[in-house]
Amino acid sequence: DAGVTQSPTHLIKTRGQQVTLRCSPKSGHDTVSWYQQALGQGPQFIFQYYEEEERQRGNFPDRFSGHQFPNYSSELNVNALLLGDSALYLCASSPGGQGVYYEQYFGPGTRLTVT
Amino acid sequence: AQSVTQLDSHVSVSEGTPVLLRCNYSSSYSPSLFWYVQHPNKGLQLLLKYTSAATLVKGINGFEAEFKKSETSFHLTKPSAHMSDAAEYFCVVSDPRTGNQFYFGTGTSLTVIP
Repeated sequence: DAGVTQSPTHLIKTRGQQVTLRCSPKSGHDTVSWYQQALGQGPQFIFQYYEEEERQRGNFPDRFSGHQFPNYSSELNVNALLLGDSALYLCASSPGGQGVYYEQYFGPGTRLTVT
Repeated sequence: AQSVTQLDSHVSVSEGTPVLLRCNYSSSYSPSLFWYVQHPNKGLQLLLKYTSAATLVKGINGFEAEFKKSETSFHLTKPSAHMSDAAEYFCVVSDPRTGNQFYFGTGTSLTVIP
């Protein structure tokens, strides 16, 4: 089992550009969540996808969007990049459903630098 | 609303001495609680989880945490620190009613002195 995988590992972009990050969940998991971790901070929830739909969203602007594919993999898109978007972006997967206590399994992250 | 407060941003212990990392939570519902560890340039690894069963939870690598509802606390402990325990530790609360959105604390950096 490869666990949660993310690509690319590192990325450097210029202000105003757009970026797409990718995530493959752990085998058997159908729910994908995305988090932003700024330097020295705890991860902040961006959104969660289940059954190819955004189920929950954190306090992030519409510049942040996502997608989940039928094979449960997911993409995070960020438009009009700002310097403040520089962070480690973490993907986490878990089994689906609500009302059940599930831990989330995290990928190694994508380090995005905006210059 | 859910939130987590990690009371210490940095903790330093000597190798072989006990570790205590403190976490208080706020939740309007019976929460699930987790501790994750993040080593430099590594992903987040689950140490242990509380899911309304036993209040004393045992995790990996000798770590334990006790859920105290009256104190709204979920402190992480280990009897004897090892050099490999040096890392960033995050306390997490979630509400299973709403899809298990995770709320992270700001983290505690643990240093182990040889």
